[in-house]
Amino acid sequence: EPEVTQTPSHQVTQMGQEVILRCVPISNHLYFYWYRQILGQKVEFLVSFYNNEISEKSEIFDDQFSVERPDGSNFTLKIRSTKLEDSAMYFCASSEFMGGELFFGEGSRLTVL
Amino acid sequence: KQEVTQIPAALSVPEGENLVLNCSFTDSAIYNLQWFRQDPGKGLTSLLLIQSSQREQTSGRLNASLDKSSGRSTLYIAASQPGDSATYLCAPEETSGSRLTFGEGTQLTVNP
Repeated sequence: EPEVTQTPSHQVTQMGQEVILRCVPISNHLYFYWYRQILGQKVEFLVSFYNNEISEKSEIFDDQFSVERPDGSNFTLKIRSTKLEDSAMYFCASSEFMGGELFFGEGSRLTVL
Repeated sequence: KQEVTQIPAALSVPEGENLVLNCSFTDSAIYNLQWFRQDPGKGLTSLLLIQSSQREQTSGRLNASLDKSSGRSTLYIAASQPGDSATYLCAPEETSGSRLTFGEGTQLTVNP
């Protein structure tokens, strides 16, 4: 069964370092998303991406964050200068069409020290 | 801003019971609503998607209903099993068809 895959599963970084989280969405899906979940808190929307541009972003998604689809399969989330409060599980998701079912990856756990 | 509340926050039942999980949302102008399960330390698994024009959706032992005008959805689990133990999340999608807003979830434990 097709699935969304994310790498790395866990990354530990020092505050101020750049981090890139990678995702391979389901191959025929056109809409891509990043969500995050701080330990013990709700899952929060970060950004949605369609047709090589951001369709919507939340107030969390500030200038420190960026997304990119560098080729036909990968979708990346970059955090330019990590802060302690960026420590969270980051989930990538994709859907085939707008309003369609979202399929999530297993997540990348980011720990900022 | 959409707010999602799920009741109860936690539920512990013996195996075989039928149960209902509740979800309410403040902005009824939604595109659809999706139910997920999340196992500890894992990703989200989609269970059911209900379009805003639908009243309910069924998959196996799961049945989800949607009352959009009152801002409510319920997830009914029939004949619960220990493997159903997980956190269940409700997430309406805004009319833009873009952003899901999640509740805190209901942590379900089914005891053998």
